[in-house]
Parts: sequence; structure tokens; C-alpha cells
Amino acid sequence: EVQLVESGGGLVQPGGSLRLSCAASGFSFSSYWMSWVRQAPGKGLEWVANINQDGSEIYYVDSVKGRFTISRDNAKNSLYLQMNSLRAEDAAVYYCAGQRNNYGPHFDYWGQGTLATVSS
Amino acid sequence: DIQMTQSPSSLSASVGDRVTITCRASQSIRNYLNWYQQKPGKAPKILIHAASSLQSEVPSRFSGGGSGTDFTLTISSLQPEDFATYYCQQSYSTPFAFGPGTKVDIK
Repeated sequence: EVQLVESGGGLVQPGGSLRLSCAASGFSFSSYWMSWVRQAPGKGLEWVANINQDGSEIYYVDSVKGRFTISRDNAKNSLYLQMNSLRAEDAAVYYCAGQRNNYGPHFDYWGQGTLATVSS
Repeated sequence: DIQMTQSPSSLSASVGDRVTITCRASQSIRNYLNWYQQKPGKAPKILIHAASSLQSEVPSRFSGGGSGTDFTLTISSLQPEDFATYYCQQSYSTPFAFGPGTKVDIK
């Protein structure tokens, strides 16, 4: 059974940092591109960043460039998102997603999400 | 960046109804269009990728069509478990933008 389990969310003040983790099991993690997708409370989905299998290709949405860093450790089957200089508008549930690329990229696997709250 | 729009933003329908949701891209994305279903408090679930390829285990009442800039998601006969929010997403180029969503609720 495929599982993606996010952790690391919590309450942080504006300007602070959080490091999200995503533990993968049940599929060949090292063969997949991985993404982070977020959803602000009551709002729609927003793709945040993705990373290829060996970490040599990384892309971000403009609003997080220079503040967020996506990384992975294939030996630990884990994906990470380091979030610095957090703003109120970064408050959201953050999902990790396994990206399959056959016939175009799409997110086959999703975690349950972890909530990041940014407030003073 | 490519922008995605969806219409309607919400709709009310009855069990058994045929429902169609439209998604439009701000430029051609060929067929790099995915559809997701999300229920309250749950992660999204992929229904269709590459505009019309149904994911395994997704009921055949769901279908997708279109190419270029205009796409549709059709539910041929709405079932109780289909009441949810539906999102389109382009995967032609990063950032992989999602549409704003269409909420389908019970009439």
C-alpha cells in the first residue's frame, strides 16, 4: 500500500521557519519526481515546488523562491520542504505528492497533509 | 505563467444528473491537463490525466475531453459519493497551476 505521511507543521510567527517532512512507503520513491502542494484554509490548491529523482532538477512557484527549499533523501525515502521567512499567506495545509510523468506529469499519490499556521 | 479558469464555480445537481465542468487555460497546453476530486478534510485524488486518460479504479461515469485551451470533465450519472470539489491542473510547464475549483453539491 502506498503511503505518504507528512509531518513538521505547526504554529510559527511571521518571519520564522518550519521544516516539513514526508515519509514515503509502498512504492519506488527514488524513481519518482515529488512535489509539494498547499491549500490555504477554505481555498484552492497551489503547487509549490517539485524535485526530480536525484535532486538535480528543482522548480518553485515564484511566491516561494528564495524562501523555501525542497530536498529529498532517497536512502530514507523522504521528501523535505524547508520554509524560511514565513508570511501569513504561507499558512496552509501542505501535501506531498508523488508525480508520475507518463503522458504528462500528474500527481498519483498524495499524503494526508500537515498544517502550517503563521501567526503572531 | 499559465493561468487556469473553471466554470461554473459551483453547481447543485441531483443523483443521476449529467454534469459537465469546463476548464480553460490561458494558452495552449496541448493535452497536459489533469482532473482531481477533493472531499472535505481529505487529500485530492486524481481522476483523469492527459485530458482524457481515466485513472485505474476511477468509475467509467467520469470522462474528460479537450485539447489546446479548452477542456471538460463530465460525470454521466452523478452518484452520492461524487459530491465534492473538482480541480483541473495544467502540467505543460511549471508552475503547475490548478484551476480555482468547482464545488458540486446536492440540489
